[in-house]
Amino acid sequence: DSGVTQTPKHLITATGQRVTLRCSPRSGDLSVYWYQQSLDQGLQFLIHYYNGEERAKGNILERFSAQQFPDLHSELNLSSLELGDSALYFCASSPRLGAEVAFFGQGTRLTVV
Amino acid sequence: GENVEQHPSTLSVQEGDSAVIKCTYSDSASNYFPWYKQELGKRPQLIIDIRSNVGEKKDQRIAVTLNKTAKHFSLHITETQPEDSAVYFCAATPGGGATNKLIFGTGTLLAVQP
Repeated sequence: DSGVTQTPKHLITATGQRVTLRCSPRSGDLSVYWYQQSLDQGLQFLIHYYNGEERAKGNILERFSAQQFPDLHSELNLSSLELGDSALYFCASSPRLGAEVAFFGQGTRLTVV
Repeated sequence: GENVEQHPSTLSVQEGDSAVIKCTYSDSASNYFPWYKQELGKRPQLIIDIRSNVGEKKDQRIAVTLNKTAKHFSLHITETQPEDSAVYFCAATPGGGATNKLIFGTGTLLAVQP
C-alpha cells in the first residue's frame, strides 16, 4: 500500500457525462500529480498541484480540470466525456518540490460507453 | 520539448539471465530518473531511482546507470525470475525545481520464461 488513496476504483459512464475522481495523498505530502494511462498513449502527465497551487500542466484537455483543497486532497473533473477518455487515471503524491520520489495510488479505471 | 525514449518495447529472457532496458531523455536539465514496475491493472511501483549527481546505483538484483553526457540511463536486472515479468517504465523529471512531474518512456514488457 503506497498510502495514496483514489476513489472510486472503477467508473462506468456514458458519453457526454461528467465525473469526478478523488485522490488523497500520503500523509504530509504537499504535491499531487494526475496521470492518464491509455493503451495507445502510455503514462501521460496531466497536471501537478503543490500545496493548493497549480505548478504544471501537461497535455490536459480543456474538458478536464483539477483542484487541490486545503486538506490537500485533489479532485480531477472530466466533462463531456468521449469514448477516447476511457483509461486508467492515476494520482501520485510526493512530499515537496525537488527530486522527490512519487508514490502512486491504485488508480481509477474509467470506462466511457 | 521534454521527451523520454525507451527500448526495447518487449523483452523476453530465460529465467536466470540478465535484462537491460535503455532510455534516453531530451531535457539536459533533468535531474531525477526513477524506474517503475507495473503489473497488469495495478499501480506503477517504484523499484529504483537515481539522481543526476550519481552515476550508478544498485539494489540487490537491480541496478541503474546514468550517463549525463549522452543523456541516457539504463536498468539492469540480473538473475531474472518469473516474478520479474511486468511492464517497466523509465521516467525523467525536468530540471528547474518548479515541478516534479514525470515524463515517462513508453514502457518495456519484460517476460521471464521459466
